[in-house]
Amino acid sequence: GQSLEQPSEVTAVEGAIVQINCTYQTSGFYGLSWYQQHDGGAPTFLSYNALDGLEETGRFSSFLSRSDSYGYLLLQELQMKDSASYFCAVGGCNNNDMRFGAGTRLTVKP
Amino acid sequence: SAVISQKPSRDICQRGTSLTIQCQVDSQVTMMFWYRQQPGQSLTLIATANQGSEATYESGFVIDKFPISRPNLTFSTLTVSNMSPEDSSIYLCSVLTGQVEQPQHFGDGTRLSIL
Repeated sequence: GQSLEQPSEVTAVEGAIVQINCTYQTSGFYGLSWYQQHDGGAPTFLSYNALDGLEETGRFSSFLSRSDSYGYLLLQELQMKDSASYFCAVGGCNNNDMRFGAGTRLTVKP
Repeated sequence: SAVISQKPSRDICQRGTSLTIQCQVDSQVTMMFWYRQQPGQSLTLIATANQGSEATYESGFVIDKFPISRPNLTFSTLTVSNMSPEDSSIYLCSVLTGQVEQPQHFGDGTRLSIL
């Protein structure tokens, strides 16, 4: 089976840096994805790691260590609009069998 | 990435009725999936919609309750049958375009409330 662990809530102030960790246990692994979901909205793809290392996309970066079954999402220069839920997800073969973590609720305060 | 349209965006239904949700993609995609997201919860995969054959259901979901159709590579429907208040949820379709390392992309979801 598959399970993912991520913190349920994180709070930070505008301009700060936040790291949301995700550990996983899977029977098969293809990649680690991160999605953002605002209240009332659909999940929006943020980033994807298939190989170890850091992927940077603007203010957001994502890291993966396959040997540690661990990854994180790094959000820099936080803005109020970054307040949302963030889900890590792991996929099996070709990302067909994607499973989601419970989500981390990020609250950005002024 | 593919543009995904889901209909209806929201509905309020009576107990015991059924609702069919449509998912239309603007390009042919290899895989289509249906997820459920209950209030404040994560996404749970209901099934993989297979083109030309029966859907593949995850543990805890059955065809009689959630019949799925996928007549072609751009369209799928999910029916929530004999609804009860426990079915109140957001239902999302997602797609894989078939490109290497392409993650899943989601439609806007259908917010379903059962009275």
